[in-house]
Amino acid sequence: AQSVTQLDSQVPVFEEAPVELRCNYSSSVSVYLFWYVQYPNQGLQLLLKYLSGSTLVESINGFEAEFNKSQTSFHLRKPSVHISDTAEYFCAVSDPGYGQNFVFGPGTRLSVLP
Amino acid sequence: DTEVTQTPKHLVMGMTNKKSLKCEQHMGHRAMYWYKQKAKKPPELMFVYSYEKLSINESVPSRFSPECPNSSLLNLHLHALQPEDSALYLCASSHGQEGTGELFFGEGSRLTVL
Repeated sequence: AQSVTQLDSQVPVFEEAPVELRCNYSSSVSVYLFWYVQYPNQGLQLLLKYLSGSTLVESINGFEAEFNKSQTSFHLRKPSVHISDTAEYFCAVSDPGYGQNFVFGPGTRLSVLP
Repeated sequence: DTEVTQTPKHLVMGMTNKKSLKCEQHMGHRAMYWYKQKAKKPPELMFVYSYEKLSINESVPSRFSPECPNSSLLNLHLHALQPEDSALYLCASSHGQEGTGELFFGEGSRLTVL
């Protein structure tokens, strides 16, 4: 069975500093990878996804993630964070051809400090 | 903007009440999901409907009863709940097994059981 690890449960960072949120998954076969963001008292929103092709994927608000098959990682990065980026971030995987098998990581709480 | 709509946004009920949570999507998705989320935790899968048939029940207590009247609607009927059932209940949809597994979430229904 798939599993997703997010080693950092909390990441405090000052505004305008860079940040990296780590995600590792267990499967050695092809997977689809996602980052979801959850702002306080809201549902989950898709931030970015890797399905195939270029291993570097970007979101419209400056986040990017790089798929590394050999390290089974999909770390999320942003070069300069804003106060509004404070939220919970969940990494997730699904199996191609079996879309209902969707597994979340435990989440990382990003706190951006002024 | 979310295309999965959940009502009500907030619900307070006693342990003897009967209430329902409702979810609606108009994206033509064929799979719909109920998740339960406790504070500071990832969403936990409860039920999956695929093509309007219950395909996954993650050993959820019978006081939670799902219903899928048609491909756009998903209900969760609640009866004789316990205080520990207080949580954020999230509805999601996806294209189904032929898709990438990307989940589209609603804003959630915040349930408090007194």
